[in-house]
Amino acid sequence: AQTVTQSQPEMSVQEAETVTLSCTYDTSESDYYLFWYKQPPSRQMILVIRQEAYKQQNATENRFSVNFQKAAKSFSLKISDSQLGDAAMYFCAYRSIIQGAQKLVFGQGTRLTINP
Amino acid sequence: KAGVTQTPRYLIKTRGQQVTLSCSPISGHRSVSWYQQTPGQGLQFLFEYFSETQRNKGNFPGRFSGRQFSNSRSEMNVSTLELGDSALYLCASSWDSGNTIYFGEGSWLTVV
Repeated sequence: AQTVTQSQPEMSVQEAETVTLSCTYDTSESDYYLFWYKQPPSRQMILVIRQEAYKQQNATENRFSVNFQKAAKSFSLKISDSQLGDAAMYFCAYRSIIQGAQKLVFGQGTRLTINP
Repeated sequence: KAGVTQTPRYLIKTRGQQVTLSCSPISGHRSVSWYQQTPGQGLQFLFEYFSETQRNKGNFPGRFSGRQFSNSRSEMNVSTLELGDSALYLCASSWDSGNTIYFGEGSWLTVV
């Protein structure tokens, strides 16, 4: 079974600075998807960024980028120019590429605080 | 394009009762999945439906069940509620495998 580990329960950063959230995972599959979701106080899960394991290029979405290290099974999220609206719980998630496998396996989350 | 819609948003039930939660996926999405979120256990997968068939199931007791209708709308039911069932229940939808999964705002269930 796949597992996802986020070793940082809480992180804080000054507004406009850069912060990196860590995520490691364990799987025996060679192809899969990895995601970062953001959960603000409203509790709705919002997709931040997605990475396909077969793609060597790291995904980027505006101020959000990932450092995907497949051999190390590491998938960190970098947030540049942090904004107050970035404050939320961030979840790393894994999904199998096997047809029909819509199940997401989540890490325990990292609570990100932005200091003005 | 409307997002994933869940109803009701908040509800309080008494131990031993049953509850039904509803989820309307994004138009065109055929897969609907459900997750339970609690402070202690985090986010756990309940089950997934695709074209009215349960395709995947998490490790939850039989008191948790679900179904999907021909219009892709889904319901989940929890019978004989226990205090530990108090949680945020999140519904998510996607077109199919390989596609991004989108979440609703969740249904807050409190069992007293």
